[in-house]
Amino acid sequence: EIVMTQSPATLSVSPGERATLSCRASQSVSSNLAWYQQKPGQAPRLLIYGASTRATGIPARFSGSGSGTEFTLTISSLQSEDFAVYYCQQYNNWPPEVWTFGQGTKVEIK
Amino acid sequence: QLQLQESGPGLVKPSETLSLTCTVSGGSISSSSYYWGWIRQPPGKGLEWIGSIYYSGSTYYNPSLKSRVTISVDTSKNQFSLKLSSVTAADTAVYYCARHGFNIVATFDYWGQGTLVTVSS
Repeated sequence: EIVMTQSPATLSVSPGERATLSCRASQSVSSNLAWYQQKPGQAPRLLIYGASTRATGIPARFSGSGSGTEFTLTISSLQSEDFAVYYCQQYNNWPPEVWTFGQGTKVEIK
Repeated sequence: QLQLQESGPGLVKPSETLSLTCTVSGGSISSSSYYWGWIRQPPGKGLEWIGSIYYSGSTYYNPSLKSRVTISVDTSKNQFSLKLSSVTAADTAVYYCARHGFNIVATFDYWGQGTLVTVSS
């Protein structure tokens, strides 16, 4: 099973500042990496797939990068609605053996 | 606009079988481009993929749950279902249904709102 490790667990950022979240895979997942945003009491929302492609309707302030085992989600200028928990997910195999998520990074207001 | 809605009991006794249904509206579950999956999230914890099904009935399961999980589809009702047997308190979680593509677009792009299932006597 591919283990996804996110860091930091919590990120304190002021509105308008940049946030950088990391995700590391225990083995290469190529570019088969997605990022999701989850707000309290809501389902996750797909932000990024293919490591760097924004999903439909996602603002340009969200960007993803990386390949292999190291990935980054950057939020260029945090808005109030961006404070949430962010998860990475690998989907390296088709058909799926097991898809796994990171444990999440909580972005909170500083 | 595609919508998914989970339904089923919110309380299940230990050792019994958890049963949930996901109803898809605003689109066809028989689309050749998508699979339909279940994901769960224990309170305050992260996400775990349970398994997925294609409209033809082809299924994939998380190996850690495979012995206890059955996912089925009813195309006439535009629904798919989850059964998880021999539940314990560790199976208490919010259960989500979601749609995903395959190959390089095998990401969950539409989700239900989730339903909390508590395992307790």
